[in-house]
Amino acid sequence: GQQLNQSPQSMFIQEGEDVSMNCTSSSIFNTWLWYKQDPGEGPVLLIALYKAGELTSNGRLTAQFGITRKDSFLNISASIPSDVGIYFCAGQNRGNTGKLIFGQGTTLQVKP
Amino acid sequence: DTGVSQDPRHKITKRGQNVTFRCDPISEHNRLYWYRQTLGQGPEFLTYFQNEAQLEKSRLLSDRFSAERPKGSFSTLEIQRTEQGDSAMYLCASSQRSRGRSENGTGELFFGEGSRLTVL
Repeated sequence: GQQLNQSPQSMFIQEGEDVSMNCTSSSIFNTWLWYKQDPGEGPVLLIALYKAGELTSNGRLTAQFGITRKDSFLNISASIPSDVGIYFCAGQNRGNTGKLIFGQGTTLQVKP
Repeated sequence: DTGVSQDPRHKITKRGQNVTFRCDPISEHNRLYWYRQTLGQGPEFLTYFQNEAQLEKSRLLSDRFSAERPKGSFSTLEIQRTEQGDSAMYLCASSQRSRGRSENGTGELFFGEGSRLTVL
């Protein structure tokens, strides 16, 4: 089945630093989404990407849909302590149920 | 609050008991999904409904699992004869088929806060 590989698995950074994480797939997706999950909570949608090459921002977050449709990245600028959490990428295929395939997550820790 | 709500948030049960989780989706959403998430992993798809019809089930959904959405609104997920391996967070999500900018109309999934199951 389709699998998504996220890297890095975890990051420990200083407050104010920029962060970059990415997600790759062995097969094509038609939609990429990025979620953030806090401990004990459900994932919260951050950004959705619908077209290859698309670059979308949401505040300090920027994400891009790779040209090959097999990858995506998420950047966080000027990190703050509340950015701490697990970030998941998810891929969605055209014309099926709309279900998502998730990566394993990138755990972000921010040192004040 | 008009988001996806799940109940209970936490359930501790003994092996062999039955448990049931409820999900109330966002009211205008016609698609409802169940996912399972274990520690250190991303959510894994279990099943999905469009209105009241259950249209897909994952191989992860064994015969002990059953999901319903009788009136196309709320949904229940029942696990019979629970096993320790069933311990996980059970997440519900909903979406509106016509929402979003994608060409085929599949939109973003919005998740509830999850129901954490611990089987002793």
